[in-house]
Amino acid sequence: AQTVTQSQPEMSVQEAETVTLSCTYDTSESDYYLFWYKQPPSRQMILVIRQEAYKQQNATENRFSVNFQKAAKSFSLKISDSQLGDAAMYFCAYRRGYSGGGADGLTFGKGTHLIIQP
Amino acid sequence: ETGVTQSPTHLIKTRGQQVTLRCSSQSGHNTVSWYQQALGQGPQFIFQYYREEENGRGNFPPRFSGLQFPNYSSELNVNALELDDSALYLCASSSPRSAQYFGPGTRLLVL
Repeated sequence: AQTVTQSQPEMSVQEAETVTLSCTYDTSESDYYLFWYKQPPSRQMILVIRQEAYKQQNATENRFSVNFQKAAKSFSLKISDSQLGDAAMYFCAYRRGYSGGGADGLTFGKGTHLIIQP
Repeated sequence: ETGVTQSPTHLIKTRGQQVTLRCSSQSGHNTVSWYQQALGQGPQFIFQYYREEENGRGNFPPRFSGLQFPNYSSELNVNALELDDSALYLCASSSPRSAQYFGPGTRLLVL
């Protein structure tokens, strides 16, 4: 079974600075996808960024970027120029590849609570 | 484009009762997945529906069941409620090869 581990229960960063959230995962599959989701106090889970395992290039979405190290099974999220609105729980998630059909349920880590200091 | 919606937002039930939660998928999506999120934890996959059939299930007992309708909306039913069923229930919709997009969730409290 796949597992996702987020070793930082809580992180704090000053507004406008950069913060990196860590995630490691365990899988025996070669085809898979990784995601970062953000869950603010409103509870709605919001997709931040997605990475396909077959792509060597790290995904980037505006101020959010990932460092995907496939051999090390590591998938960290970097947030640049942190803003107050970035404060939330951040979840790393894994899903297997689309080949072979069947369900594509996500496996989530326990989350990292990100605090932005003004 | 209409996002994923869920109803109700909050619900209180007593042990042994049954509950039905509802989810409307995002326009263009034909797959719905349900998750249970206990307080302070990450979501856990319950099951997924694709074209009105259950497409896969996580480690949840049969008293958790579901339906998907021709318009791709979905229901999650939980029978014989237990105290541990108290959680946030999240619905996510997707289309083949897309990411999953979540609704705002239903908070269920079992007393």
